Amino acid sequence: EVALVESGGDLVQPGGSLSLSCEASGFILRNYEMNWVRQAPGRGLEWLSYIDRSGDNIHYGDSVQGRFTISRDDAKNSLHLQMNSLRGDDTAVYYCARDLGKSSAFDVWGQGTMVTVSS
Amino acid sequence: DIQMTQFPSSLSPSVGDRVTITCRASQSISTYVNWYQQKPGKAPKILIYASSILHGAVPSRFSGSGSGTEFTLTISSLQPEDSATYYCQQSYITKYTFGQGTNLEIK
Repeated sequence: EVALVESGGDLVQPGGSLSLSCEASGFILRNYEMNWVRQAPGRGLEWLSYIDRSGDNIHYGDSVQGRFTISRDDAKNSLHLQMNSLRGDDTAVYYCARDLGKSSAFDVWGQGTMVTVSS
Repeated sequence: DIQMTQFPSSLSPSVGDRVTITCRASQSISTYVNWYQQKPGKAPKILIYASSILHGAVPSRFSGSGSGTEFTLTISSLQPEDSATYYCQQSYITKYTFGQGTNLEIK
């Protein structure tokens, strides 16, 4: 079965750092472009970051540019998100999502991991 | 950045009703729109990509249309399990953006 499983969510103080992971199973991660998307409590979806299959083409949303870093470890079939300088408005459920390869739609999503930024 | 304005923000239709949700893009984006369904506490699920292509085993009562700046998601005959929040997403540029969401609560 094709699946993504995120991990690493935690309670962190403002200004702190956290690293999220997303482990793929049932498919070969290196064959797909990948994304991170988050959802603050009671709010809508916010796209955060994209990485292509080679890892050379990366994009970020304005709200996380310069603070978050996406990377992939194809040997471990995993995707990562390094988050620095965390703020209260980064509190959200973080999802990794696979790019379908058509219209850049996200066809497989993880269950999400909760990040809470609070003192 | 491309803004996606989605409306209405909420709907309360009845089982069997036909429902239309609209997304308007701030600039022309061809057919680079995808639609998702999200139920409480769950990850979103892809319904339609490239404006009108139904994904996988999504029921045929769901359909999408539009190009340029205006896009619609239609559910032809609502079922109880369609109660959810629906989001559009533009994928024309790789600073993807979502609409604000439409909360569909079936009476």
